Amino acid sequence: EAGVAQSPRYKIIEKRQSVAFWCNPISGHATLYWYQQILGQGPKLLIQFQNNGVVDDSQLPKDRFSAERLKGVDSTLKIQPAKLEDSAVYLCASSSGPILYEQYFGPGTRLTVT
Amino acid sequence: QKEVEQNSGPLSVPEGAIASLNCTYSDRGSQSFFWYRQYSGKSPELIMFIYSNGDKEDGRFTAQLNKASQYVSLLIRDSQPSDSATYLCAVNRGQGAQKLVFGQGTRLTINP
Repeated sequence: EAGVAQSPRYKIIEKRQSVAFWCNPISGHATLYWYQQILGQGPKLLIQFQNNGVVDDSQLPKDRFSAERLKGVDSTLKIQPAKLEDSAVYLCASSSGPILYEQYFGPGTRLTVT
Repeated sequence: QKEVEQNSGPLSVPEGAIASLNCTYSDRGSQSFFWYRQYSGKSPELIMFIYSNGDKEDGRFTAQLNKASQYVSLLIRDSQPSDSATYLCAVNRGQGAQKLVFGQGTRLTINP
């Protein structure tokens, strides 16, 4: 079974530029998550999709971040414009079910904003 | 007060000893609790979850939950150098869907 795929793996941009990340979850997984992990901290949930609908985006900075899940499969996360404090690893995870089902994480995208 | 608190470490344990990792949480309504392991530069991977008070064992790992004290722990028996990693405690705050809140993680080093 293929795992969660993410691209790019690394990205360096200047502040005020825009950037987009892509995630392809495990086939058949209805739930998709985007997390932000700043160095030395645990992952913080940004947005959660169930199929192509948003379940929770309470911690997504909506003035600069946006996300969508196309046809309930792939997802993109965009930052526009980027700030220095957005430097982090952006992790995508997927799950086949609720509550006690395991979340499988992708390799992440390391973003550096200069 | 953070929702999920862990000692950031580093915690240093000799090989073959028991490593004890602790986590406290603030939301009394939390129902399920997860331990993830994260190697440096890698993504988190699930070790185990627990949702009932008491102990749950899986191989060399034991998770312990005390809801009255809002405390969850992970014991690693016969620690190996390959156990050296950051261990993340996560609490599910979701109702009907999993919404994990992670602690900052405890960095564990097993010394040969």
